[in-house]
Amino acid sequence: ETGVTQSPTHLIKTRGQQVTLRCSSQSGHNTVSWYQQALGQGPQFIFQYYREEENGRGNFPPRFSGLQFPNYSSELNVNALELDDSALYLCASSLEGLRQFFGPGTRLTVL
Amino acid sequence: AQSVTQLGSHVSVSEGALVLLRCNYSSSVPPYLFWYVQYPNQGLQLLLKYTTGATLVKGINGFEAEFKKSETSFHLTKPSAHMSDAAEYFCAVSTGGGADGLTFGKGTHLIIQP
Repeated sequence: ETGVTQSPTHLIKTRGQQVTLRCSSQSGHNTVSWYQQALGQGPQFIFQYYREEENGRGNFPPRFSGLQFPNYSSELNVNALELDDSALYLCASSLEGLRQFFGPGTRLTVL
Repeated sequence: AQSVTQLGSHVSVSEGALVLLRCNYSSSVPPYLFWYVQYPNQGLQLLLKYTTGATLVKGINGFEAEFKKSETSFHLTKPSAHMSDAAEYFCAVSTGGGADGLTFGKGTHLIIQP
């Protein structure tokens, strides 16, 4: 059984650019959640996808968007990057949402 | 809306001593409560969770936590600290179902002194 994987591990972008982060769910999981963890802070919930539909969203602007594919893998897209978007982005998969298994994260740096 | 407060951004204990990490929550509905551990440059690993039933919850690596509704607390303990316990610990709350995600505290960095 493979765990949650994320790519890339590190990424450097400049302000105004767009970025796509990827997540592969743990086998058998149909729900993916994305979190943003700024340095020295706890993770903050961005949104959740269940069976390819967004079914929950935290306090993040529309320039944060996502997709979930039929194989339940997922993408997080961020447009018009800002310096404050620099953070560790964590993906978590679950079956029906409650117990979430986290990936190692993607470290995004915006210059 | 729910929130989590972790008292103490850093906690230092001696190897073999009791570990106590404090967590208080607020929730408008019966909460589901979690403790996660994060090692450097890694994701989060679930230590234990409370959903319903027994209020004393045992987790991995010798950790346990007690849900006290009257105190809105879910403190994490371990009788004897080990050097490998040094990490960042996060308390989290959910209203269940997961569609609103987990709400995390700011974390407590546990330091183990030899």
